[in-house]
Amino acid sequence: QQQVKQSPQSLIVQKGGISIINCAYENTAFDYFPWYQQFPGKGPALLIAIRPDVSEKKEGRFTISFNKSAKQFSLHIMDSQPGDSATYFCAVNNFNKFYFGSGTKLNVKP
Amino acid sequence: EAGVTQSPTHLIKTRGQQATLRCSPISGHTSVYWYQQALGLGLQFLLWYDEGEERNRGNFPPRFSGRQFPNYSSELNVNALELEDSALYLCASSRPRRNTEAFFGQGTRLTVV
Repeated sequence: QQQVKQSPQSLIVQKGGISIINCAYENTAFDYFPWYQQFPGKGPALLIAIRPDVSEKKEGRFTISFNKSAKQFSLHIMDSQPGDSATYFCAVNNFNKFYFGSGTKLNVKP
Repeated sequence: EAGVTQSPTHLIKTRGQQATLRCSPISGHTSVYWYQQALGLGLQFLLWYDEGEERNRGNFPPRFSGRQFPNYSSELNVNALELEDSALYLCASSRPRRNTEAFFGQGTRLTVV
């Protein structure tokens, strides 16, 4: 049973554009929603995270938008750069049980 | 402060053998998670240890097992290796009672030939 569904599977964006990755979940018990960035051959690194009591969190060029009623959250990367090219995973968490999305491979064209 | 460290970085085994992977969590972290990431695929949850006990297990056969030591480091054992066990095995750790951020190590690349 897939706890979180992530889309798209892959994304190509021009340098300077906005990258948007979406995730949807079903279990309303989840209370922590992180995004991870993974470069080839490396482990995932925590990028940004949000709790359900806020609708948006911004850190630099990265923003999480959270829609509690729709049970959806998304990652926006503003002014996308070639160095942002990586695989991004959303995750949901409830009391130490982490479930990850299937990942989105982002390619930012120079 | 050192991050999550995993050893070895690479491991090559023959089908039917056993593999042992090790993980040292960040100092102060008591929870350790193991994930399998097959090439080009997502993260599949394997095991979660906290305070020395197995708290949760993913949908993997019993030949995947592990343990957590008193210093909170952990070991993942894979018995009777199969070709499809070839993957990147990732370990993550988190603080006690926060149930929030999990930090990953660099992984162990296991190749079964």
